Amino acid sequence: AQTVTQSQPEMSVQEAETVTLSCTYDTSESDYYLFWYKQPPSRQMILVIRQEAYKQQNATENRFSVNFQKAAKSFSLKISDSQLGDAAMYFCAWGPYNNNDMRFGAGTRLTVKP
Amino acid sequence: NAGVTQTPKFQVLKTGQSMTLQCAQDMNHEYMSWYRQDPGMGLRLIHYSVGAGITDQGEVPNGYNVSRSTTEDFPLRLLSAAPSQTSVYFCASSRGPVNEKLFFGSGTQLSVL
Repeated sequence: AQTVTQSQPEMSVQEAETVTLSCTYDTSESDYYLFWYKQPPSRQMILVIRQEAYKQQNATENRFSVNFQKAAKSFSLKISDSQLGDAAMYFCAWGPYNNNDMRFGAGTRLTVKP
Repeated sequence: NAGVTQTPKFQVLKTGQSMTLQCAQDMNHEYMSWYRQDPGMGLRLIHYSVGAGITDQGEVPNGYNVSRSTTEDFPLRLLSAAPSQTSVYFCASSRGPVNEKLFFGSGTQLSVL
């Protein structure tokens, strides 16, 4: 069975600094996708970044980037120049190539200190 | 553009009662799914649908029923509510399989007493 593990229940970062959130996963499939979703206090889930497993290049979206290590089954999220609006719960997620059977990690609560 | 609309936002049930959580999307998405979110466990997939008339079970389907008679609607039915079903429920949709971005509703907080 596919599992996603986020080992950091809580993290904090100073405004304008950089923070890295960890995620590992377990799967026997070769084709899949990985995601980071953000859930602010409003409860609305927002896609932050997506990575296709067949791509070696790490995905980047503005201040957000990932470090994807396929052999190690690791998928960490780096937030640069942290802003107060980045404070939220962050979920790492795994999805197979051709269906909706996604698996989420337990989440990491990020606090941003002014 | 409404996106994914869930109703109700809050609901309190007594053990044994039944109810339906409504989910509608106006983006003509083929894929829809239901998740529950519990503290320390992230989101877990209950059921999903790849199109009208087609549904499948996710990770935690027991105690829940779904149907997909139209592209727009994907209701989740609790047949006989139990305290273990106290959770926040999210509906999500996407244009294609999981490699597409998921659009989430704002959630339904359900308490079963």
